[in-house]
Amino acid sequence: DTEVTQTPKHLVMGMTNKKSLKCEQHMGHRAMYWYKQKAKKPPELMFVYSYEKLSINESVPSRFSPECPNSSLLNLHLHALQPEDSALYLCASSQDPGTGSEQFFGPGTRLTVL
Amino acid sequence: QKEVEQNSGPLSVPEGAIASLNCTYSDRGSQSFFWYRQYSGKSPELIMFIYSNGDKEDGRFTAQLNKASQYVSLLIRDSQPSDSATYLCAVMGGNNNDMRFGAGTRLTVKP
Repeated sequence: DTEVTQTPKHLVMGMTNKKSLKCEQHMGHRAMYWYKQKAKKPPELMFVYSYEKLSINESVPSRFSPECPNSSLLNLHLHALQPEDSALYLCASSQDPGTGSEQFFGPGTRLTVL
Repeated sequence: QKEVEQNSGPLSVPEGAIASLNCTYSDRGSQSFFWYRQYSGKSPELIMFIYSNGDKEDGRFTAQLNKASQYVSLLIRDSQPSDSATYLCAVMGGNNNDMRFGAGTRLTVKP
């Protein structure tokens, strides 16, 4: 298994809703990442988990809450989002944290906040 | 100063030509460099990575790295219409934990 999977593919939510994005990999990778990508812009790093511990939080608003239940799973909990949070949310994984190894991306979740 | 800079394009080349994509970076401590291809509406796909100065070839793709000049490039030989996409240069920071992307270069290969 050489892929990163993300669910759901699409999500529409209101500003008062609570929802979660899910990411899964079975490559034995020990680093996992959340990125946000707006249209015609590059991905922006949000969070990095190394060995299931949060190692980087790029000053992301608290309405985004990451969670890494185990080495294969990564969640992003969403609450009280704003319309400007509408974007493609990408999960990625890499083999060894801190070694600069290549990252592999999942297909993304396209989020629309109404 | 942007951390990773790319010519935004668009870059248009005829089918069969060589496409040349360039990228510069500001963090001298960076050790890992990547090229991703992204089709419209899809996620980035890794096509090349390079860690050492010089050239690295994989099929029709060649990545070139010059750490002294803080410069990375990607050459695509025998360009095909299916190569039409946005190419993202990505640089791993000196701490090897956070990867920064350039703005991307949109490539169009015309039949």
